[in-house]
Amino acid sequence: DAGVTQSPTHLIKTRGQQVTLRCSPKSGHDTVSWYQQALGQGPQFIFQYYEEEERQRGNFPDRFSGHQYPNYSSELNVNALLLGDSALYLCASSFRGTLYQPQHFGDGTRLSIL
Amino acid sequence: EDKVVQSPLSLVVHEGDTVTLNCSYEVTNFRSLLWYKQEKKAPTFLFMLTSSGIEKKSGRLSSILDKKELSSILNITATQTGDSAIYLCAVEAIGGGADGLTFGKGTHLIIQP
Repeated sequence: DAGVTQSPTHLIKTRGQQVTLRCSPKSGHDTVSWYQQALGQGPQFIFQYYEEEERQRGNFPDRFSGHQYPNYSSELNVNALLLGDSALYLCASSFRGTLYQPQHFGDGTRLSIL
Repeated sequence: EDKVVQSPLSLVVHEGDTVTLNCSYEVTNFRSLLWYKQEKKAPTFLFMLTSSGIEKKSGRLSSILDKKELSSILNITATQTGDSAIYLCAVEAIGGGADGLTFGKGTHLIIQP
């Protein structure tokens, strides 16, 4: 039973570029959440997707956008990259149909902006 | 705005010691509090505490939720070097705001042999 998988594992970009990160949820999960974890900090919630729609959003600018596909996989897109976007980007999945289900995390994508 | 504060931020102990990690929170419409262990990459789920489940135990790890004090503790007894990690506390709110988790900064635990 595969857990949450993310790709790529590492990525280097320059300021102003655009990036797409990908996530496949754990089998049986239908909800995907994205988090940004800067060095020495806890993860910060970016947004959550369910039924192919963005359901909730944290305090992140419009440069951060996403998508969910019918097979529940998801993408995180970041435009006009800034140095401050350097971080570990974590994807978490869960099943919305049952209360009190913990989110399960992938290994993340380490994004470095030069 | 939901808020989670963890203490201490770092802790160094010797193998065999018992440690207690603290988490306090402010959240509108509390649903649950979760503990995760993060070694190199993915945070790994440890416990979920709710109004109907305020104590959890698994092996040497245990956790208690104090809804009156808006806090939780994570205890690890007979620590081993493999317990070295960052321990993250997070809270989840019911609807209204983000369904996402609000995390603290974590406690960096180092177990010395």
